[in-house]
Amino acid sequence: EPEVTQTPSHQVTQMGQEVILRCVPISNHLYFYWYRQILGQKVEFLVSFYNNEISEKSEIFDDQFSVERPDGSNFTLKIRSTKLEDSAMYFCASSGLNNSPLHFGNGTRLTVT
Amino acid sequence: QKEVEQDPGPLSVPEGAIVSLNCTYSNSAFQYFMWYRQYSRKGPELLMYTYSSGNKEDGRFTAQVDKSSKYISLFIRDSQPSDSATYLCAMSAQGAQKLVFGQGTRLTINP
Repeated sequence: EPEVTQTPSHQVTQMGQEVILRCVPISNHLYFYWYRQILGQKVEFLVSFYNNEISEKSEIFDDQFSVERPDGSNFTLKIRSTKLEDSAMYFCASSGLNNSPLHFGNGTRLTVT
Repeated sequence: QKEVEQDPGPLSVPEGAIVSLNCTYSNSAFQYFMWYRQYSRKGPELLMYTYSSGNKEDGRFTAQVDKSSKYISLFIRDSQPSDSATYLCAMSAQGAQKLVFGQGTRLTINP
């Protein structure tokens, strides 16, 4: 069964450094998403991406965050200058159509020290 | 009032029991309702997906949506130890991109 894959599984970085989290969505999907889950808290929406542009973003997704689909398969989340509070699990997801179910990857655990 | 509320548990039941998991919500615009299962250090795995009100059954799992009460449920019949996980409800409005998740209920099935 096709799946969403994310790399790396765990990323440790120092405060102020840039990180790029990578995702390969399911190949025929059109909508791509990033969510995050701080330890012990809810899964929270960050951003959705369709037709090579951001279609919706949350208040969490400020100027420090950006997304890109650099080629036909990868979808990346960049955090420009990481803060301690960015430490969380980051999940990539994709879906075939708007409002169709999302399929999630296993996440990247980001630890900012 | 939180947009989606879900009792975090933990909930512990014996093997073979029927499990009932629930969420309430406040946004009447929600039309799409999902249940995800999340094992420790893994991503959410889609279990059930329903549109608007009604019931949907898939094997041992039944999802119910009552839009008039803004209440959704997931029932697990003949529960197994492998069902031990955190169960997340999630929902979205028509045309909206984002899913809004509940807190998740941590479930343990005891052999």
